[in-house]
Formats: sequence, structure tokens, C-alpha cells
Amino acid sequence: DAGVIQSPRHEVTEMGQEVTLRCKPISGHDYLFWYRQTMMRGLELLIYFNNNVPIDDSGMPEDRFSAKMPNASFSTLKIQPSEPRDSAVYFCASSLVWGSTYNEQFFGPGTRLTVL
Amino acid sequence: QKEVEQNSGPLSVPEGAIASLNCTYSDRGSQSFFWYRQYSGKSPELIMSIYSNGDKEDGRFTAQLNKASQYVSLLIRDSQPSDSATYLCAAFYQKVTFGIGTKLQVIP
Repeated sequence: DAGVIQSPRHEVTEMGQEVTLRCKPISGHDYLFWYRQTMMRGLELLIYFNNNVPIDDSGMPEDRFSAKMPNASFSTLKIQPSEPRDSAVYFCASSLVWGSTYNEQFFGPGTRLTVL
Repeated sequence: QKEVEQNSGPLSVPEGAIASLNCTYSDRGSQSFFWYRQYSGKSPELIMSIYSNGDKEDGRFTAQLNKASQYVSLLIRDSQPSDSATYLCAAFYQKVTFGIGTKLQVIP
């Protein structure tokens, strides 16, 4: 398997523009996670899905952020409108199972987003 | 206050020495704990997990957990320059919460 695939790898956009980040999880993994990483706040969970259903979106910073998972092999994270403070590395991760005693998540390479 | 606390470093150790990375967590309900390694510009990868008090060894890595003190540590024996990376501590209680990470530099 190719691992978790994310696109684009880098995105530079201007404030106010819509940004869409894409993720393809590892085949067969039932859980998909979106994270944001910054120097100041570290790695933060934004939302996660189980079998394409959003389970916990409490980490989504505000209504400008939305995430969808239309099928088992594809998810998007959208920011509309984007702001400079959204600049960060966004990681997608997937996991075969999820719970207190098994939590190995496989991370994608990340998308480095810069909002000017 | 972040729920999982780490010193951001950098922690510098000479090659061959033991590197000791520390982490504290605030939620006593946390059930399991993880160490991820992240090379510069790369994504995190899981290297150790620990669920019960005591030590867990895997090769040159030893994870230590003390739930009474809410303390987790990672020891890296015989440190190598290839161990230079940022080490993220994470705790699980309903969801995984990550610390800011400690940058480790192993000096040849």
C-alpha cells in the first residue's frame, strides 16, 4: 500500500480564498483523522471519522472549517474564507481500529498551507 | 494550559549517551500513552506505546509510565545522530492529545 496520500503538498493562497485539502487513507482503515500542526500549538486534532461518519469535530476551530468524507477512500478539509492564522501543516492520518489500547495512526506527508 | 506538557528543548546529547525525554499530563483519566518521532519536515511515526505503570523496552527505547505522578518518559540508549528528531508525547482519553514535542539533537 502507498500509505496515506495527501494533496497538495504545498499550498500558497491569499486571505479570503477557499482552500481544499485532500486525503486518501490506507485501504481498509476505518478511521480517518485531520490534524493541524503549528510551532506554537503543536499537533491538534481537528476532526475524525469512523466509517465515513464524523465522530468528533470539537477541534474544528470555527465555521470557516469543514470536512467531508464521501466514501471510504477520500476525505476533504475545506477552509473558506482562509486567513493568515490558518497557516500551518495539515496532516491526515488513518487507523485500522481505534480505542484506548490500540492507537497506531499512520500519518500522511502533510500539506503545508501558507495564507498571505 | 496544555493537557500534555513537554519541554520543547532542544535537548543535546553526545553520541552513545542516554537521552531522557519527559512528559507530564493533566487528565487522570488518560488510559494509554504514546511516543511519536517526527523528523524535520516529515510526518509523525509511532515508536512506543505504554498502558500500565512501569517500564516497557523495545530495542534501544524504553518507555516509563508513572500514573500516580502523571509522568511519562522515553529513554533512548546508545543515542545515534539518526535519532535527532522531535519526539511527541501523546495521551489517550476519548481522543489522543499531543504535547508540543521535544527536539533532540545527538552530537557526533
